[in-house]
Amino acid sequence: GESVGLHLPTLSVQEGDNSIINCAYSNSASDYFIWYKQESGKGPQFIIDIRSNMDKRQGQRVTVLLNKTVKHLSLQIAATQPGDSAVYFCAENTGGFKTIFGAGTRLFVKA
Amino acid sequence: DVKVTQSSRYLVKRTGEKVFLECVQDMDHENMFWYRQDPGLGLRLIYFSYDVKMKEKGDIPEGYSVSREKKERFSLILESASTNQTSMYLCASSLHVQPGELFFGEGSRLTVL
Repeated sequence: GESVGLHLPTLSVQEGDNSIINCAYSNSASDYFIWYKQESGKGPQFIIDIRSNMDKRQGQRVTVLLNKTVKHLSLQIAATQPGDSAVYFCAENTGGFKTIFGAGTRLFVKA
Repeated sequence: DVKVTQSSRYLVKRTGEKVFLECVQDMDHENMFWYRQDPGLGLRLIYFSYDVKMKEKGDIPEGYSVSREKKERFSLILESASTNQTSMYLCASSLHVQPGELFFGEGSRLTVL
């Protein structure tokens, strides 16, 4: 069935290092992928998205990589800061209204 | 700034009570959603609405209903709350018919005793 999974439930990184959060998806028909960040006590916030006709997209300090061959998505955060501590969700969409979310990865940033 | 507002951040209800969760968005978005968030399960779609008075079931609609009488307001109703409905409820809206960014409220944490 459809699913979006994460390889690691928690990730701990040193402040200033780069972070990589991974995500696997199972539906080869998915054509739109999004990363959300959820800070404690808040709702998820959009970080970056990518469509299936691309394999890389960059934002401010964040990069999303899409490997359709192995159905893998990753979020890279450069120079991780304490404010990056949060739960990160990958999500996929096959078109229309239904967005499927992964279970989330908690990122801890050590000072 | 775009805003999705959930009126109740924390609620405690008893089994069998009727519960209303209200959500208002100020972005004139067509689409509104109710998700449930549980640890380790991510976000699961309960119901969504793509227009006033229109609603569609999501993945876990059992035990819930919704109401969309006005474009800006989408309500989630638990007719008879049960303990397994203790959860975080997130409302979201989006502009595009095709996939696009979801704008979330801050959530309503419901505890059913």
